[in-house]
Amino acid sequence: EAQVTQNPRYLITVTGKKLTVTCSQNMNHEYMSWYRQDPGLGLRQIYYSMNVEVTDKGDVPEGYKVSRKEKRNFPLILESPSPNQTSLYFCASSFGVAGNNEQYFGPGTRLTVT
Amino acid sequence: TQLLEQSPQFLSIQEGENLTVYCNSSSVFSSLQWYRQEPGEGPVLLVTVVTGGEVKKLKRLTFQFGDARKDSSLHITAAQPGDTGLYLCAGIYNFNKFYFGSGTKLNVKP
Repeated sequence: EAQVTQNPRYLITVTGKKLTVTCSQNMNHEYMSWYRQDPGLGLRQIYYSMNVEVTDKGDVPEGYKVSRKEKRNFPLILESPSPNQTSLYFCASSFGVAGNNEQYFGPGTRLTVT
Repeated sequence: TQLLEQSPQFLSIQEGENLTVYCNSSSVFSSLQWYRQEPGEGPVLLVTVVTGGEVKKLKRLTFQFGDARKDSSLHITAAQPGDTGLYLCAGIYNFNKFYFGSGTKLNVKP
C-alpha cells in the first residue's frame, strides 16, 4: 500500500532532550516536506527536500534540522526542544514538482514538550 | 500575520445550502491547492489550480483561481453532511514552497 509513515505518533518529552521524528514513503517520490499544525494557524512548512541531499527552509525552520540521505526517508530533528515546539507535525511527499502534483500526508505526530 | 488569509474561519450551515470559502493574499503564487482534513488525519488534496482565471469543478465543488493568481475561492453547492471537515488553501511559491491559510471549519447539519 502506497503510504507515508511517521514515528512516533505521539511523544511527550522534556525541554532540551534531543529527539527525532522519522518519516518514510514507499512511493519513490522526489519531494518531501515537514509541516507543523497549530490551532488557528493552519499548516506551516518547516523544511522541504526536492531530492536526495537537497533540502531548503520553509516558513518556520528555526529550532529544526532535517536530512535527506535516502530518497525514502526524511527525518525531522529537534536538537533542543522547547515548549513552543509543542504541535502536531505532518510529513508529506509528492512526485516531481509539489505545486503541480498531489502531496500525500502522513498520519501526524503529536509532540508535547514540557 | 498569515501570508494567505482564509475566511470564514467557521461555517455552520444546514444541508442543502450553498457556501463559499475565500483565500486572499497580496502575493502572486505559482499555483494554489485546496485540501480537506478530517480529525486525526492528514490533509487530502482536492484540487490544484495553476492558471490565472482557472475554474475547476469536482462534483458539487467549484474552485476558482483569481486572474492575478493572488486569490482563490471554493464554492460548494447543496452542501451535505459528508462535506463536514476542515478546508485548507495553500499558495505555492516556485512550485515547492507552501503557505497554508488558517483553515475553514465547515459543519453541515442534517
